[in-house]
Amino acid sequence: GAVVSQHPSRVICKSGTSVKIECRSLDFQATTMFWYRQFPKQSLMLMATSNEGSKATYEQGVEKDKFLINHASLTLSTLTVTSAHPEDSSFYICSAGRISGGLGNEQFFGPGTRLTVL
Amino acid sequence: GQQLNQSPQSMFIQEGEDVSMNCTSSSIFNTWLWYKQDPGEGPVLLIALYKAGELTSNGRLTAQFGITRKDSFLNISASIPSDVGIYFCAGVNYGQNFVFGPGTRLSVLP
Repeated sequence: GAVVSQHPSRVICKSGTSVKIECRSLDFQATTMFWYRQFPKQSLMLMATSNEGSKATYEQGVEKDKFLINHASLTLSTLTVTSAHPEDSSFYICSAGRISGGLGNEQFFGPGTRLTVL
Repeated sequence: GQQLNQSPQSMFIQEGEDVSMNCTSSSIFNTWLWYKQDPGEGPVLLIALYKAGELTSNGRLTAQFGITRKDSFLNISASIPSDVGIYFCAGVNYGQNFVFGPGTRLSVLP
């Protein structure tokens, strides 16, 4: 299977600071990357979909100025949580999509980033 | 919008028992994916299904793509403690429309 990495795995920050999370597809080119948020014992909540070289598409209710997404290359997407507050504390997971338009549509997930805002 | 339902929401089984869970939708999908998530980790792809009626195995796991293209099931045979986790199904339409189910939480009792 394809490998997706995330960095950092854990981050603790003070309220008001910004945090950047990186997502990399290590052994394939991902034209599409997805960012999810997951609260304890809950399912994955899609935040946004990003395509390389274009603006991300945000899900309803997700503030695009709060959660900045950059998909600069086919192997790297970043999520920046700006002016983080305690309610932003969560588990953030990225995934990289291998989209063929037919067979082989798959998403591969990173290991997640645990964000704690004090 | 499209939604997936997973059943059961949670289950407690004895080690060695077989497990069956399913995923249903009112919409048609052309790909079904099954993932497992361990606590504190990202989901890991277990099985991908691409054709209606397709039956695919991965070790003790077997999954089937429903003939109506609106459902899929996952079976785990002879469960072991490391099978504990949350199992998510995902339906995929042409292009990049992925829809995830709410998950089935599996607990295995020794």
